[in-house]
Amino acid sequence: NAGVTQTPKFQVLKTGQSMTLQCAQDMNHNSMYWYRQDPGMGLRLIYYSASEGTTDKGEVPNGYNVSRLNKREFSLRLESAAPSQTSVYFCASSEILYGQGDTDTQYFGPGTRLTVL
Amino acid sequence: AQTVTQSQPEMSVQEAETVTLSCTYDTSESNYYLFWYKQPPSRQMILVIRQEAYKQQNATENRFSVNFQKAAKSFSLKISDSQLGDTAMYFCAFMKRPGYGKLTFGTGTRLTIIP
Repeated sequence: NAGVTQTPKFQVLKTGQSMTLQCAQDMNHNSMYWYRQDPGMGLRLIYYSASEGTTDKGEVPNGYNVSRLNKREFSLRLESAAPSQTSVYFCASSEILYGQGDTDTQYFGPGTRLTVL
Repeated sequence: AQTVTQSQPEMSVQEAETVTLSCTYDTSESNYYLFWYKQPPSRQMILVIRQEAYKQQNATENRFSVNFQKAAKSFSLKISDSQLGDTAMYFCAFMKRPGYGKLTFGTGTRLTIIP
């Protein structure tokens, strides 16, 4: 049981290049999320997917697109990278367990450190 | 919109001592969740403890406990018998209702445990 996995761990891009960050979870969770973490700003939500087939914008969606490929996988795409997108990106997943105590807790992947030159 | 404030950017404490990290939040919701996450140098985000707003009893997980003051909108984390492995960034996070999913994070407190 690997939990939430992300690839790659590190990436350097030039301005204008594109790339896709991959995320997969093996906990059978319905909901998945993409956050970015910048120094002094905590984590901010980029996009989320409440269930397979649905995606919604979070707090900072500009410059990103997402795809919920299936229940396990949720990818984040940068079509034309900009230096302002230099950040650490985290994927997370969660599940609501109605009637049980531990509900809606998000579990995070190890993160991807992205540098855009 | 919800906001989460962590007013202590950095703290340090001697090993085996007790330390309290502060968090305040602003919301008009009544049935929400609060979380503390730990981020060690490995960068992994690890859930430390959670609190449901409808529960009056403060959550406890081994050496970690919270002081949840709903009226004051305060949610502090107490770490007892601190250990070197507690050195990390600690983030307070808010979810405005069960099932909402999205978390709002504070800016974090960097905690250093001194040997």
